[in-house]
Amino acid sequence: QSVLTQPPSASGTPGQSVTISCSGSSSNIGSNYVYWYQQLPGTAPTVLIYRNNQRPSGVPDRFSGSKSGTSASLAISVLRSEDEADYYCAAWDDSQSGLWVFGGGTKLTVL
Amino acid sequence: QTQLQESGPGLVKPSETLALTCTVSGGSFTSYHWSWIRQPPGKGLEWIGYIYYTGNTNYNPSLRSRVTMSLDTSKRQFSLRLTSVTAADTAVYYCARTGLYSSPEMNWFDPWGQGLLVTVSS
Repeated sequence: QSVLTQPPSASGTPGQSVTISCSGSSSNIGSNYVYWYQQLPGTAPTVLIYRNNQRPSGVPDRFSGSKSGTSASLAISVLRSEDEADYYCAAWDDSQSGLWVFGGGTKLTVL
Repeated sequence: QTQLQESGPGLVKPSETLALTCTVSGGSFTSYHWSWIRQPPGKGLEWIGYIYYTGNTNYNPSLRSRVTMSLDTSKRQFSLRLTSVTAADTAVYYCARTGLYSSPEMNWFDPWGQGLLVTVSS
């Protein structure tokens, strides 16, 4: 059971837009930044969005992040076949002595 | 460009200790936090803990009683020890650079190593 809640799957056709949600609580998303990671099949995750809505250099502007209250979203516009991957949200959680928590991951299928 | 590489045994017996090392090449080793993250087969990510270049550590409370992290700045390596392993510890173990800010929420995991599958089985 992951601390952050994501839908297990999402899908879309090339050219469409898709949004992946991430729900948390006041001790994580509600008070700290949200990060998004993309994990292509058989590879290690890479950072896609940092500090809620910032894109590292090299990440297309088709990817965007937002946060409101204790929830966050990753939006992917103009879907491409190479976007098929697992997507994870993450945030620092202030409970206990502090720890990083992840969502359970969303498998995006490009139909 | 910083690169990370995990190394260690791919098979560990139940009740024994899992010991992995991450070697960092390129970029700065000092000033950064360094993390271990694992992913059971077909499942999601779990943060194990991080170590600061000063040696300060912060572990996931769920694993704290079994985890020890250390580092060797001269070799540009940091290590993970996980004691009393069970089948539930079978996972791909990743090491990752975790930023240089003292406030943890300001940091993120980048880059990651390629990952090392560790299987716990007799």
